[in-house]
Amino acid sequence: DTGVSQNPRHKITKRGQNVTFRCDPISEHNRLYWYRQTLGQGPEFLTYFQNEAQLEKSRLLSDRFSAERPKGSFSTLEIQRTEQGDSAMYLCASSALQGGTEAFFGQGTRLTVV
Amino acid sequence: GQNIDQPTEMTATEGAIVQINCTYQTSGFNGLFWYQQHAGEAPTFLSYNVLDGLEEKGRFSSFLSRSKGYSYLLLKELQMKDSASYLCAVRAGGFKTIFGAGTRLFVKA
Repeated sequence: DTGVSQNPRHKITKRGQNVTFRCDPISEHNRLYWYRQTLGQGPEFLTYFQNEAQLEKSRLLSDRFSAERPKGSFSTLEIQRTEQGDSAMYLCASSALQGGTEAFFGQGTRLTVV
Repeated sequence: GQNIDQPTEMTATEGAIVQINCTYQTSGFNGLFWYQQHAGEAPTFLSYNVLDGLEEKGRFSSFLSRSKGYSYLLLKELQMKDSASYLCAVRAGGFKTIFGAGTRLFVKA
């Protein structure tokens, strides 16, 4: 296991379409995070899982966004009815249960909505 | 509210020392992280502070003052490869980590 893996790396979609991204965290990590990052900004928190439980979700996340982590391993992030404003880099990160442990980020999925 | 401030850009010379400041106002505090991010790549962990004081790790050091809501990242013996964005992030209440917009550091020869 070499780190956090995200697929696809790039996605171009037409406005109004649905898209789904996948994240495979480091195998022994219980915590999984999704972030969104636009050019010139830091990552913006979207949601957090501990094992299969979604414990926190940003108020900025509209109803068009949903995330799952069905077996406490990989996670998916779905965006329905995409809008041009959804164009961004979507980053997944994972960390161990111990407090203070840093998060390891995947390479991200770059979404472009045209 | 939640707010993290850091300078937008800094320029320094190869071999020099640079200090990147970060101030924060968050509803909770469970630690402060510094990450490095090269263009087009994922952020990578540099340091973590939860208690006041200085943490040193090779050419990188990070300082925290919780009473002042202030941290800095110190980079010594700058190398060209240190040109990157440096992200200050606070773990606020729960497990939510809030990132600043990042400081773009340019290292010139």
